[in-house]
Amino acid sequence: DQQVKQNSPSLSVQEGRISILNCDYTNSMFDYFLWYKKYPAEGPTFLISISSIKDKNEDGRFTVFLNKSAKHLSLHIVPSQPGDSAVYFCAASPNYGGSQGNLIFGKGTKLSVKP
Amino acid sequence: KAGVTQTPRYLIKTRGQQVTLSCSPISGHRSVSWYQQTPGQGLQFLFEYFSETQRNKGNFPGRFSGRQFSNSRSEMNVSTLELGDSALYLCASSSRGQTNEKLFFGSGTQLSVL
Repeated sequence: DQQVKQNSPSLSVQEGRISILNCDYTNSMFDYFLWYKKYPAEGPTFLISISSIKDKNEDGRFTVFLNKSAKHLSLHIVPSQPGDSAVYFCAASPNYGGSQGNLIFGKGTKLSVKP
Repeated sequence: KAGVTQTPRYLIKTRGQQVTLSCSPISGHRSVSWYQQTPGQGLQFLFEYFSETQRNKGNFPGRFSGRQFSNSRSEMNVSTLELGDSALYLCASSSRGQTNEKLFFGSGTQLSVL
C-alpha cells in the first residue's frame, strides 16, 4: 500500500515555463513534507520542505503548496531551467516517534526541461 | 565539511553470495539511514541507526542487516543474495535523526546480482 504517490513518472517542460510536480498521500498523520532532487549517479539532495501548519513555502524559483484537505502537495518551479532536469522525490514524515527513519518516499517523477 | 561517503561505488555479485556496504556520515552526524532504490519502487527505507542502535527497520527480510560503529560509520550486509536485490543502495545521515532535519545522501553503491 503506497502512502506517498507520485502518479506521473515523467514530465517534459520547455525552458522558461512552469514545471508542476504533484504528490498525493493517504496517511492523515503525515505532518511534514519534503522534496528531494536526484541527478543520475548522485544521491538525492534536499530541495524544499513544508510543515502541515503552512500551505505554502517558497525558496527562490521553487514553491511547494500543501492542500491538507485533499492530501495533495505540489512543487512549482518557475522559470524552469535545463539544469532542473532530474528525478524529483516527494517524501512525507508521519507524526509519531519523531525519528526520521520513518520518512516515506514516493517513486519519483523524472523532469526533463527542453532548451 | 566532507559529505556522506559510500564504498564501494559499484559491486557485482552472484546469487547466494553475501555483500557488505559501507557508509561514512558527515562528521558530527549521529543518525544514518539506508535506502534501496529500484526503478519500479523508488526509494524504500531499510533501517536507521542512531548512536549505534537500530531505531527503525523497514519491511525487508532478515537477509538485510546493518550496524553502526561508535564513530557513527555504518555498514549494511545482505546475505544469500537474490537477483531482485540488484539496486542502488543509498546511505543518508543527519545530526539527530529527527523528522524536521534534512537528510544528506551519499552517491550510493550500485549492486548488481548475476
